[in-house]
Amino acid sequence: AQSVTQPDIHITVSEGASLELRCNYSYGATPYLFWYVQSPGQGLQLLLKYFSGDTLVQGIKGFEAEFKRSQSSFNLRKPSVHWSDAAEYFCAVANTGFQKLVFGTGTRLLVSP
Amino acid sequence: DTAVSQTPKYLVTQMGNDKSIKCEQNLGHDTMYWYKQDSKKFLKIMFSYNNKELIINETVPNRFSPKSPDKAHLNLHINSLELGDSAVYFCASSETSGADTQYFGPGTRLTVL
Repeated sequence: AQSVTQPDIHITVSEGASLELRCNYSYGATPYLFWYVQSPGQGLQLLLKYFSGDTLVQGIKGFEAEFKRSQSSFNLRKPSVHWSDAAEYFCAVANTGFQKLVFGTGTRLLVSP
Repeated sequence: DTAVSQTPKYLVTQMGNDKSIKCEQNLGHDTMYWYKQDSKKFLKIMFSYNNKELIINETVPNRFSPKSPDKAHLNLHINSLELGDSAVYFCASSETSGADTQYFGPGTRLTVL
């Protein structure tokens, strides 16, 4: 069965600094991978996804992620963090047949002035 | 227009009661889902429906009964509510049950007293 690990429960970054959120997945076949963001009291918004092709994917709000098969990773990056990026970030992998998403436990991003 | 909507946004009720949460999507998608997010922010799928037919039923107590009157609606009925049912419930939809992005509703926060 597939699984997702987000090793960092929370991360604090200074505004303007760069960000990398880690995601490792376990899946036997080619994975479909996603990053979602959840702002306080809100639903989940899709930041970006990887299905195939170019391993560096661009998303909304200046985020990007790189799929590294050899490391089973799909880390999320942003070159310069804004205070409005403070939120919970979830990595997810789709199962065979893509009938459901399996989520990681999330990483809470705090942005300091 | 809201793509995936849920009502109510908040639901506070007593143990033993029966309650329903409604979900509607106006995206023309064929597949809809219910996810549960617990107090530790962990998200787990409960059910998915494709064109009104149940395709996934994760090990959810049979007190939870989804109903899909048409492919734009997926409601969740919960009987005999328990304290452990307190959570945020998210509805989602995707174009098909294949490799498609899932779009989430804003969530319903259920509190059982």
